[in-house]
Amino acid sequence: GAVVSQHPSRVICKSGTSVKIECRSLDFQATTMFWYRQFPKQSLMLMATSNEGSKATYEQGVEKDKFLINHASLTLSTLTVTSAHPEDSSFYICSAREALGNTIYFGEGSWLTVV
Amino acid sequence: GEDVEQSLFLSVREGDSSVINCTYTDSSSTYLYWYKQEPGAGLQLLTYIFSNMDMKQDQRLTVLLNKKDKHLSLRIADTQTGDSAIYFCAESIRYSSASKIIFGSGTRLSIRP
Repeated sequence: GAVVSQHPSRVICKSGTSVKIECRSLDFQATTMFWYRQFPKQSLMLMATSNEGSKATYEQGVEKDKFLINHASLTLSTLTVTSAHPEDSSFYICSAREALGNTIYFGEGSWLTVV
Repeated sequence: GEDVEQSLFLSVREGDSSVINCTYTDSSSTYLYWYKQEPGAGLQLLTYIFSNMDMKQDQRLTVLLNKKDKHLSLRIADTQTGDSAIYFCAESIRYSSASKIIFGSGTRLSIRP
């Protein structure tokens, strides 16, 4: 079946630094990728929707200058958390929708800890 | 508005059927999904149903959709300990030329012997 790979699965960074999380669709082309954030014991919150070759659409309340999303190809989207703060520590999950279908597949998620 | 609601907890006896319910508000939903999340792991797509379908069955899983009441349910037959997880209901909503997925809060399913 379709696979979405996220990297890194766990990352620790210092406050003030930036960290990049990659989301790759391994065996299908994804015109649309979604980035979610999950706080402990809470549901997934959609952060932004990215379409290949265009700017991401951010949900209300999500700072686009802090969470930079790039969807440069049909198989790769990246989320960069800039000037990371301990409050940014969370579980980030990406998902990708097949170009020719409507099924959406999720990555395994990335645990970010900012110290 | 866009809202998906689920009860937070469900406890069932091993071998019984589990029924997880979900309600949504947006009538423009195209697809509705059920995802499973085990502790410390990502999301696993269990099944999905197109909005013009009433029912979908896949082995132990049965999805029922009542579009009039905007109600979705997931039935797991013969529940096993490996079914312990959080189950998320989600709807795909079209807006403009794109679509997005809205998740419910998740239902934590626990299995008792």
